Amino acid sequence: NAGVMQNPRHLVRRRGQEARLRCSPVKGHSHVYWYRQLPEEGLKFMVYLQKENIIDESGMPKERFSAEFPKEGPSILRIQQVVRGDSAAYFCASSPLPRDTYNSPLHFGNGTRLTVT
Amino acid sequence: QKEVEQNSGPLSVPEGAIASLNCTYSDRVSQSFFWYRQYSGKSPELIMSIYSNGDKEDGRFTAQLNKASQYVSLLIRDSQPSDSATYLCAVNMATVGASGSARQLTFGSGTQLTVLP
Repeated sequence: NAGVMQNPRHLVRRRGQEARLRCSPVKGHSHVYWYRQLPEEGLKFMVYLQKENIIDESGMPKERFSAEFPKEGPSILRIQQVVRGDSAAYFCASSPLPRDTYNSPLHFGNGTRLTVT
Repeated sequence: QKEVEQNSGPLSVPEGAIASLNCTYSDRVSQSFFWYRQYSGKSPELIMSIYSNGDKEDGRFTAQLNKASQYVSLLIRDSQPSDSATYLCAVNMATVGASGSARQLTFGSGTQLTVLP
């Protein structure tokens, strides 16, 4: 069984460009979570989505960041007008059940490492 | 006060010794606790889950939970150089999301462990 798949593995963008990060959940999972890890720090929750709905975006920066999980296709984390401070590893996880009834751990994809030059 | 606190380290132990990693958390009603291991440049991988007070053993790893003290620890017996990594404590904690209160996996900043041959 394939786990969570993320691409690209590495992404380099110049300041001001847009970054699009993709996450394909485990087959049959309809709940997706995005986390960001800055250098030398732990993972910080960003957003939790169910297909076609944002459930919890309490960790998302207010500007330039958006996320979607369409009915078909992968979840997308979009960062507009990137700045150097956006350089980080972005990890995605998925679950078969809603987070408030799912106490099991999350298993993460390999991540996308974004570098802003 | 951070929601999940860990000593950042670095923690160095000789090969064969016991490594002790500690974590405290702020949310009294948290019920699910996890330890992840992260090698440099890699994604976090789950090594232990614990849900009840007391000890849980899995091979060389023992997780200990004390909900009254809001404390969770990880012991690694017979430490090996291959155990050298950053260990992340994660707790299922309440957040205030778009639709009200939700619970998300919240991480500490990690403890860097080095096992010396």
